Amino acid sequence: GAVVSQHPSRVICKSGTSVKIECRSLDFQATTMFWYRQFPKQSLMLMATSNEGSKATYEQGVEKDKFLINHASLTLSTLTVTSAHPEDSSFYICSARGTTPDTQYFGPGTRLTVL
Amino acid sequence: GEDVEQSLFLSVREGDSSVINCTYTDSSSTYLYWYKQEPGAGLQLLTYIFSNMDMKQDQRLTVLLNKKDKHLSLRIADTQTGDSAIYFCAESIGGGNKLTFGTGTQLKVEL
Repeated sequence: GAVVSQHPSRVICKSGTSVKIECRSLDFQATTMFWYRQFPKQSLMLMATSNEGSKATYEQGVEKDKFLINHASLTLSTLTVTSAHPEDSSFYICSARGTTPDTQYFGPGTRLTVL
Repeated sequence: GEDVEQSLFLSVREGDSSVINCTYTDSSSTYLYWYKQEPGAGLQLLTYIFSNMDMKQDQRLTVLLNKKDKHLSLRIADTQTGDSAIYFCAESIGGGNKLTFGTGTQLKVEL
């Protein structure tokens, strides 16, 4: 139980294009999902908290117009990196809040490379 | 404030026990967690402990919590090469809504 998937697992795009990453909770419903960014050999940095049916809450320093988050259903949240630049290249990980225990279950991550 | 620290690197021989340590500063943590991250992958929840517990054992894993010193440890018995990964401790305040992660400890298991 508590499986979270992400798609795609790896994406390479040109500078200036937009990229959408999907996060799905496969066997449970998640009213809350989280998006993280991880740089090489570093810990996870929380970007935003996504709540189903409402606007996402962004952490300080994260541009909401650049990182668009949509949580349209209880099993799907999407992160769109708009007008991507090489500095946006990173490992993006989502998680979904579960209830037993009350913790976060993580997806496998998406490696974004912007050329 | 929220600040979770771990040592960066640990090397052990296969079959030995590994002990990964974590210190946190927020005494209002409700749950503390240990996650494992293998290269290029997401985080896998290994185990967790409620803040009113001192110890929790789950097969090869033992979690010790010293709330007075704000110190959390993860002991892996009979460490195997498959245990090589980065281990993150994390704390939540108010029940899992937001996690603060430690810096991560890279465990290397040598033959």
